Amino acid sequence: AQSVSQHNHHVILSEAASLELGCNYSYGGTVNLFWYVQYPGQHLQLLLKYFSGDPLVKGIKGFEAEFIKSKFSFNLRKPSVQWSDTAEYFCAVNPTGRDDKIIFGKGTRLHILP
Amino acid sequence: DSGVTQTPKHLITATGQRVTLRCSPRSGDLSVYWYQQSLDQGLQFLIQYYNGEERAKGNILERFSAQQFPDLHSELNLSSLELGDSALYFCASSSATGLNRSPLHFGNGTRLTVT
Repeated sequence: AQSVSQHNHHVILSEAASLELGCNYSYGGTVNLFWYVQYPGQHLQLLLKYFSGDPLVKGIKGFEAEFIKSKFSFNLRKPSVQWSDTAEYFCAVNPTGRDDKIIFGKGTRLHILP
Repeated sequence: DSGVTQTPKHLITATGQRVTLRCSPRSGDLSVYWYQQSLDQGLQFLIQYYNGEERAKGNILERFSAQQFPDLHSELNLSSLELGDSALYFCASSSATGLNRSPLHFGNGTRLTVT
């Protein structure tokens, strides 16, 4: 069965630190990949997405993610975090063409110290 | 604002009761997904509807059911509630052209507390 693993459950960083959140998935075919963010008390919002092409994708608020097919990974990065980045981050995988199947990781809680 | 509306925002009820959660998708979106979010299980897919028909089932209990109406709004019915059903229930919608063109748009969720 397909699955998504987010290795870090809880990350604490100081402002201006660099961020990398890991995401690995298990699925043999082609996939669409997403990162969603959930700010405290709010709904999930799309941060960025990968469908095809350049494996380095840029999203909103300075976030980027790199798809490494050989490693089945889609790690999220930001060079310098801000206090407002405090949120929960979810990686999600959708086998291409299967709109009924989008699997989320368990999320990573990011806490930025001011 | 995602355009997806969920009501009510909060629901407190007793064990054994039945509740109905409502979701209005984004204008033009035909697919509605229901998710349950709890601290220990993360975001769990429950069920998906597309243009009124059930399309996929996830980890949905038999005590739970859903439907999508002709106007595309959806309802999630939870019955014989147990303490463990306490969670945040999200609805999400996407367009007919598929997730690679229209990723999920989430509502603000309904927080269910079973006492």
